[in-house]
Amino acid sequence: NAGVTQTPKFQVLKTGQSMTLQCAQDMNHNSMYWYRQDPGMGLRLIYYSASEGTTDKGEVPNGYNVSRLNKREFSLRLESAAPSQTSVYFCASSEGGWDEQFFGPGTRLTVL
Amino acid sequence: AQRVTQPEKLLSVFKGAPVELKCNYSYSGSPELFWYVQYSRQRLQLLLRHISRESIKGFTADLNKGETSFHLKKPFAQEEDSAMYYCALKEETSGSRLTFGEGTQLTVNP
Repeated sequence: NAGVTQTPKFQVLKTGQSMTLQCAQDMNHNSMYWYRQDPGMGLRLIYYSASEGTTDKGEVPNGYNVSRLNKREFSLRLESAAPSQTSVYFCASSEGGWDEQFFGPGTRLTVL
Repeated sequence: AQRVTQPEKLLSVFKGAPVELKCNYSYSGSPELFWYVQYSRQRLQLLLRHISRESIKGFTADLNKGETSFHLKKPFAQEEDSAMYYCALKEETSGSRLTFGEGTQLTVNP
């Protein structure tokens, strides 16, 4: 099993460009999450999906949108990238409730 | 709102020395606390959770509700313990959402 996969691994954007980060899990988990990791700030939740068909805002949702395409896939879209969105983005999944979250390898995004 | 604080961004110890990574939280209810670890070039992964009351890789953590702390301890640090450690809190009513601390980079020197 691949667990949680993310594409791309690296991306450089210019201010104002748009892009979608893809995430998929093969563990049949109900819940999926998008975090950003910034030095000195830890991981901050952007959006999450408690179950297929639902999405909710996390701590830092501004500038992002998400789609829970099906149970396996959860994408994160930047409609108009800004330098403040330069970060490492992690996708994670869990069975739900009190269960452990499993993380993807991350996407390193730079916005110039 | 709930908050998790890890006061040390960097922590350096020598091999064989005891190590304690501090985690404090603010939450009025009954939280569940976790420690996640990210080794170099590896994915973030769960190290331990307070409800399990287990020791993983020699690490233990006790939830102190009076001091609202969940410090991670190991009596004898090893070089392979060098990693970024994150403390995380789950509220009673948050479903599966976690709030992470800022992280502590632990370096164990030979």
